[in-house]
Amino acid sequence: GQQLNQSPQSMFIQEGEDVSMNCTSSSIFNTWLWYKQDPGEGPVLLIALYKAGELTSNGRLTAQFGITRKDSFLNISASIPSDVGIYFCAGQTSYSGAGSYQLTFGKGTKLSVIP
Amino acid sequence: KAGVTQTPRYLIKTRGQQVTLSCSPISGHRSVSWYQQTPGQGLQFLFEYFSETQRNKGNFPGRFSGRQFSNSRSEMNVSTLELGDSALYLCASSLETASPLHFGDGTRLSIL
Repeated sequence: GQQLNQSPQSMFIQEGEDVSMNCTSSSIFNTWLWYKQDPGEGPVLLIALYKAGELTSNGRLTAQFGITRKDSFLNISASIPSDVGIYFCAGQTSYSGAGSYQLTFGKGTKLSVIP
Repeated sequence: KAGVTQTPRYLIKTRGQQVTLSCSPISGHRSVSWYQQTPGQGLQFLFEYFSETQRNKGNFPGRFSGRQFSNSRSEMNVSTLELGDSALYLCASSLETASPLHFGDGTRLSIL
């Protein structure tokens, strides 16, 4: 089946630093999504990318849909303590025959911010 | 606007029992998906429902089943529970089939 390789697995950074994480796949995806999950909660959608090459920002977050459609990255600028959490990338595949979509998730990047 | 609501939040069961989890999607959302989250396997797709029809199913045994009602609310059932079924079960809804998923906070299922 499809697999996403997300890196790094974890990172410790100083408050104010920029962060970068990425996902790669051997398969092509139609959509890339980035989620953040806090302890005891479900994943929250951060950014959705729909076109190869697309670069989208959401506040201090910037994400790009790779040209090959097999990768994506997420950057966080000027990190703050509330950025702590687990970040997941997800690739969305369409099954046009059934009209269905499903997400394949990376294993997550655990971000720790040192004040 | 209310988000995706899952009940119960926590559940403890023993091996061999069966369990039913409930999910109410965001109002107006017709697609509901279920995912299992474990530390070892991460987030894995269980199934997706749209207009009361299961349109896609992940690679899980037949003990895992679900259904969707006419009001888009969904339930998933796990029969003959095993220790390995301990996980966070997440429900997600989307407006249209190509729209991003919005997740609930999950049901934490523990099997003793």
